[in-house]
Amino acid sequence: DQQVKQNSPSLSVQEGRISILNCDYTNSMFDYFLWYKKYPAEGPTFLISISSIKDKNEDGRFTVFLNKSAKHLSLHIVPSQPGDSAVYFCAASANTGNQFYFGTGTSLTVIP
Amino acid sequence: GAGVSQSPSNKVTEKGKDVELRCDPISGHTALYWYRQSLGQGLEFLIYFQGNSAPDKSGLPSDRFSAERTGGSVSTLTIQRTQQEDSAVYLCASSLGRQNYEQYFGPGTRLTVT
Repeated sequence: DQQVKQNSPSLSVQEGRISILNCDYTNSMFDYFLWYKKYPAEGPTFLISISSIKDKNEDGRFTVFLNKSAKHLSLHIVPSQPGDSAVYFCAASANTGNQFYFGTGTSLTVIP
Repeated sequence: GAGVSQSPSNKVTEKGKDVELRCDPISGHTALYWYRQSLGQGLEFLIYFQGNSAPDKSGLPSDRFSAERTGGSVSTLTIQRTQQEDSAVYLCASSLGRQNYEQYFGPGTRLTVT
């Protein structure tokens, strides 16, 4: 039972354009959301997070948007760079529990 | 300082054998997580340690899986009588505290059961 879903397994974007990665979740108890970036043969690295009390969090080229009513979050990367090419995972947790639930990942390719 | 380290990086074992996977978290991190990622799947939570509290073992898929954390630092994940479906990348992560803290991941151990 996948509580966090990333329905696009891959995405290709031209360098300089915007990359939009999407994530949907089913558990309304989730109140904290994170995005991780993973290069091959490495562990995921934290990118950006958002609490459910906010609907937007921005850090440089990365912005995460949260739509609680739709149970949807997205990661925007502007402008996209070739070094952004990686697999991106979204994750969610509920303050009442210890678990983080991860999506299956979206492989982003930024074309120079 | 050093990040999270895991050993071995790769492990090939025969079905039915036991394996031990090791995780060295970042010094000072009280929380430690084990995940596994099977081919084409997301990260699956296995177990969570927080300080001296009893671990949250709710993600362990069967009683063949166990983990311990000695002295609040190094952790070992043990899989007994390995099966082919245990083949996956096993990832360890540590963080400063409970959920809502950034998790720092190790590079993972790729386990292949033949």
